[in-house]
Amino acid sequence: QQQVKQSPQSLIVQKGGIPIINCAYENTAFDYFPWYQQFPGKGPALLIAIRPDVSEKKEGRFTISFNKSAKQFSLHIMDSQPGDSATYFCAASKEEYGNKLVFGAGTILRVKS
Amino acid sequence: DSGVTQTPKHLITATGQRVTLRCSPRSGDLSVYWYQQSLDQGLQFLIQYYNGEERAKGNILERFSAQQFPDLHSELNLSSLELGDSALYFCASSVDDRPYGYTFGSGTRLTVV
Repeated sequence: QQQVKQSPQSLIVQKGGIPIINCAYENTAFDYFPWYQQFPGKGPALLIAIRPDVSEKKEGRFTISFNKSAKQFSLHIMDSQPGDSATYFCAASKEEYGNKLVFGAGTILRVKS
Repeated sequence: DSGVTQTPKHLITATGQRVTLRCSPRSGDLSVYWYQQSLDQGLQFLIQYYNGEERAKGNILERFSAQQFPDLHSELNLSSLELGDSALYFCASSVDDRPYGYTFGSGTRLTVV
């Protein structure tokens, strides 16, 4: 129940394409869903996060779509650029004191120029 | 620079040895989290400290231990090292004991030979 399943494992898109990364969770108590971006040699960095009271959140070229009934959420990267090539992790938690983030396995994205 | 400092960046040691990884959290952050990142396991939560006290334990082996000192820096001690302990070890910090606003350091890459 603590797992977050992420797919695909890797993804290659052309510049300007819209890569989509999907995550699914089981624990209905989760109410905070962030996405992290990690470049080689660096730690993960918070990209965007959503709470289940909204179905979509946009920040710049990054959009999270959230489907509470399906217990799924996804990251879309609009007009992807080679600089977006990185590993992306979804995560989930209950937004309360004493809880920790549970991460998906990660998706390696490569944007070809 | 995320503000979370991890040392050393790289560590190569032999099986059976003991090492200490150090983390200085971002200024003002009271929580420190340790995660292990390996190719086949993704980001696995190890342990959390909040203001000097152990708050949560994850998949941490008995050979591993950690502590948070009065100045809030934290150390992760790994002993009787095995080849399978080779991984990236990340420290993250956050202001309080809630799961958002994690800031990760750049990690320590441990290689056990």
